[in-house]
Amino acid sequence: EIVLTQSPATLSLSPGERGTLSCRASQSVSSYLAWYQQKPGQAPRLLIYDASNRATGIPARFSGSGSGTDFTLTISSLEPEDFAVYYCQQRATWPLTFGGGTKVEIK
Amino acid sequence: EMQLLESGGGLVQPGGSLRLSCSASGFTSSSFAMGWVRQAPGKGLQWVSSIGGNGATTFYTDSVKGRFTISRDNSKNTLYLHMNSLRAEDTAIYYCAKDPVPAASIGSNWFDPWGQGTLVTVSS
Repeated sequence: EIVLTQSPATLSLSPGERGTLSCRASQSVSSYLAWYQQKPGQAPRLLIYDASNRATGIPARFSGSGSGTDFTLTISSLEPEDFAVYYCQQRATWPLTFGGGTKVEIK
Repeated sequence: EMQLLESGGGLVQPGGSLRLSCSASGFTSSSFAMGWVRQAPGKGLQWVSSIGGNGATTFYTDSVKGRFTISRDNSKNTLYLHMNSLRAEDTAIYYCAKDPVPAASIGSNWFDPWGQGTLVTVSS
């Protein structure tokens, strides 16, 4: 099973700041990595797939990069609605696995 | 607009059974793989099971193999998760989710969109 480790666990930032979230895989997943956003009481929403492709309707301030074992989700300038928990997910091998999440909170 | 609506959750005793349903609308469900992902209270996401668009291909996480069965009725646009021999550690919100890429079998294995979830509580 591929283990995804997200860091930091919590990121404290102010609106307008840049957010950088990391996801590291225990073995290569090529570019088969996605990012999801989950707000309290809501279902997750797909943001980025195949490491760097924005899903439909996702603002351009969200970008993804990386390949192999190291991936990054960048939020260029945080909006109030971006404070949430972010999860990465790999589809390179079964079982599909998710990272433990990074909570982006208001500083 | 694509929508997914789960139902069937509730309180069940350890060792009991439950069937979750996920009603899909706004798209032709047979064209897309679907899956179940769960989230224990206050915890992260865990993939549970996936099924191909034609229902012929299924996958499970190890902890539910032999206890859970995923199925679908494309004539009713409905996805199911039959859960037997339930354990306390199965307590979670269960989300159904659609694969965004059309495929008769398993698609991209990404999930978009998701339903609002249904809570399963296993407790005596």
